Amino acid sequence: GDSVTQMEGPVTLSEEAFLTINCTYTATGYPSLFWYVQYPGEGLQLLLKATKADDKGSNKGFEATYRKETTSFHLEKGSVQVSDSAVYFCALGTYGGNNRLAFGKGNQVVVIP
Amino acid sequence: SAVISQKPSRDICQRGTSLTIQCQVDSQVTMMFWYRQQPGQSLTLIATANQGSEATYESGFVIDKFPISRPNLTFSTLTVSNMSPEDSSIYLCSVVPGTSSYEQYFGPGTRLTVT
Repeated sequence: GDSVTQMEGPVTLSEEAFLTINCTYTATGYPSLFWYVQYPGEGLQLLLKATKADDKGSNKGFEATYRKETTSFHLEKGSVQVSDSAVYFCALGTYGGNNRLAFGKGNQVVVIP
Repeated sequence: SAVISQKPSRDICQRGTSLTIQCQVDSQVTMMFWYRQQPGQSLTLIATANQGSEATYESGFVIDKFPISRPNLTFSTLTVSNMSPEDSSIYLCSVVPGTSSYEQYFGPGTRLTVT
């Protein structure tokens, strides 16, 4: 079935460092891809999305490019801030999936001042 | 997008009791979902709440344990029945607004602790 794999473990980095969170997917069709962010004590917020190959989603300095050849949708930010500390989830949705999303396990990001 | 509220935001409940969680949306939506997020884990879909018909449950979740109501296009409830400590989780509802495919918007969640 359709699935998303995120890199293992939390990510700890210093303020202004470069952030990459890896996400790869397996899907039988042509999925739409999403990154969601969950700040401490809150629900999930849609961070960015891409609906077809080579699309680049971007928001709040974060970017991710839909790479069909590598089945990847890695999240990047050039200079993180303490306020970016959160859990980040990669997700996919496929046509015929009744609008259901498959989520990755999430990555805790901690930015140290 | 859509603005979603949930009640209660958190609760501490005794083993064996039931809790009903409400999800209210500021616009009419066709698709509503209920998720569980256990501590430190990802989201697990419990069911799709269908307006005017029975909810569609995912494998491992049953109606007797998680009855769902969807009386109209802006509201749904999830009941966690006969609770045990293993039910301690965050419960989230989400919606797909309008004709937007797959893009889900989430409520703030209900943090449930069962003692």
